Amino acid sequence: ETGVTQSPTHLIKTRGQQVTLRCSSQSGHNTVSWYQQALGQGPQFIFQYYREEENGRGNFPPRFSGLQFPNYSSELNVNALELDDSALYLCASSVSGSGETQYFGPGTRLLVL
Amino acid sequence: AQSVTQLDSQVPVFEEAPVELRCNYSSSVSVYLFWYVQYPNQGLQLLLKYLSGSTLVKGINGFEAEFNKSQTSFHLRKPSVHISDTAEYFCAVVAGTASKLTFGTGTRLQVTL
Repeated sequence: ETGVTQSPTHLIKTRGQQVTLRCSSQSGHNTVSWYQQALGQGPQFIFQYYREEENGRGNFPPRFSGLQFPNYSSELNVNALELDDSALYLCASSVSGSGETQYFGPGTRLLVL
Repeated sequence: AQSVTQLDSQVPVFEEAPVELRCNYSSSVSVYLFWYVQYPNQGLQLLLKYLSGSTLVKGINGFEAEFNKSQTSFHLRKPSVHISDTAEYFCAVVAGTASKLTFGTGTRLQVTL
């Protein structure tokens, strides 16, 4: 059984640029959640996708957007990058439903200069 | 809205000593509770979870946690730690019918000889 994978592992961008991060969910999972983890902090919920529709959003501006594809893989897009967007971005997949365990990928570390 | 408090940012402990990492939560509805561990430069790994039933939950690597509804706590314990337990530990809650995880700020467990 393949776990959650994310690409790329590391990324360096400059302020104002756009970035796309990718996530492949675990086999059998139909829900993907994205989290931002700033240095020294706990992960913060960005949004969740269930069957290709957004299913909840945290306190992040619209320049953070996402997609989920028919195979349940997902993308996180961030436009107009700011220095504060530097963080570890974590993707988690799960079977739908409250209380279902979310399984995390290794993350993408983004540095904005 | 729900929140999670991890009062101890760092917990130093000698190898083979017992340890307790504290977690308190706040929610106006029923909750599901989780502990995740994060090793350096890695994603989050599930240690254990409480959904319902017995308030004492056993997880991987010899860890256990006890759900205390009256004290709104979910403290993590291990009777004898190893050097390999050195990591960041996060407590998280899912409240009501929501599916997003709300994390605490984490506790750094440092095990030394």
